Amino acid sequence: GAGVSQTPSNKVTEKGKYVELRCDPISGHTALYWYRQSLGQGPEFLIYFQGTGAADDSGLPNDRFFAVRPEGSVSTLKIQRTERGDSAVYLCASSLSGQTHLYNEQFFGPGTRLTVL
Amino acid sequence: GNSVTQMEGPVTLSEEAFLTINCTYTATGYPSLFWYVQYPGEGLQLLLKATKADDKGSNKGFEATYRKETTSFHLEKGSVQVSDSAVYFCALRGGATNKLIFGTGTLLAVQP
Repeated sequence: GAGVSQTPSNKVTEKGKYVELRCDPISGHTALYWYRQSLGQGPEFLIYFQGTGAADDSGLPNDRFFAVRPEGSVSTLKIQRTERGDSAVYLCASSLSGQTHLYNEQFFGPGTRLTVL
Repeated sequence: GNSVTQMEGPVTLSEEAFLTINCTYTATGYPSLFWYVQYPGEGLQLLLKATKADDKGSNKGFEATYRKETTSFHLEKGSVQVSDSAVYFCALRGGATNKLIFGTGTLLAVQP
């Protein structure tokens, strides 16, 4: 079946602009995660949704970052007033549920590469 | 807080050589431990996992044992292939949250 998809695959924007990144999780997965991977680093957690609600947003770096998942499926990560330091690959993952269960594997999308000029 | 430290790369090996990539962690409680792999041009994939002390995760010839006494989860493979060339990430999931905490990744390059 289809995996996690993310659009766009690449986004180039100018400093100060607003961007939206989209994630389509695997059908039926109730948990959705956003991570950010800077060059040469491992992914860093941003936010986790269980259904429509943000169950853990402790990784969002500041109030310029916001994410929604209004119908419990597709999610959008929104970044206001982008800065050059926001340049990174933004990864989305989904899992069957958000419970810390042995087989609750997170499946990752290919990522969106954001470049802020 | 929880954290993962893994050996820096790149690691360059000849085909059929033995591989070890070191990973240690800091965590409260009893985390689950993972190795993820990122092949060139592809997304992150789960390679193997272990959820409690002394568990051994294995997949595709790779193994890692959850060692609580040394807080380690080293990745090993007895005979690497060119197709194993990728970036390997050690990760943990702890407490009541399902979020993953990753190490910085180790690039493995296997030469024929």
